[in-house]
Amino acid sequence: GAGVSQSPSNKVTEKGKDVELRCDPISGHTALYWYRQSLGQGLEFLIYFQGNSAPDKSGLPSDRFSAERTGGSVSTLTIQRTQQEDSAVYLCASSLLAVLPDTQYFGPGTRLTVL
Amino acid sequence: SQQGEEDPQALSIQEGENATMNCSYKTSINNLQWYRQNSGRGLVHLILIRSNEREKHSGRLRVTLDTSKKSSSLLITASRAADTASYFCATPTGANSKLTFGKGITLSVRP
Repeated sequence: GAGVSQSPSNKVTEKGKDVELRCDPISGHTALYWYRQSLGQGLEFLIYFQGNSAPDKSGLPSDRFSAERTGGSVSTLTIQRTQQEDSAVYLCASSLLAVLPDTQYFGPGTRLTVL
Repeated sequence: SQQGEEDPQALSIQEGENATMNCSYKTSINNLQWYRQNSGRGLVHLILIRSNEREKHSGRLRVTLDTSKKSSSLLITASRAADTASYFCATPTGANSKLTFGKGITLSVRP
């Protein structure tokens, strides 16, 4: 079956612009995660969605970052007024249930470059 | 903050040799997972070892876990050029199983 897909694969934007990154999880997976990978910080958790529960936003670095998950499936990560330090690879993962032990399946990522 | 710390940071070996990578973590865990990443893109789940397990095998992979030392090792036997990648250990934390990753090990396998 299809894995996790993300779009776009690459995004170049100018500082101050808003960007939207999309994630299509594996069908039927109720848990969805966003992570960010940058040179200075490594892999960091950003936000988590599980079913209809309130999302865990504890990893979002600032209020310029937000995310939605519509209909329990597709998720969009939005970064407003982008800064150069937002440049990173943004990874989405999904899992069947957030119940241990848990395997998360990752998408190919979106490489964001803020000029 | 990083939960796992891998060592070495970089490893270069000849094809056919074994590669051993180590990971240490700080807090108690339910399980520890190893992932591979090619070319800085998506992560591929390799193997999961539970806290009550000491060793686990999957193909050419062998993972050990020592909870008393808070450490794990990943052994890749008979390495191939295709094993060239970055390897990360990760532990789920919190009720939502969000993963906390180490900084990763860059493995280069020379043909």
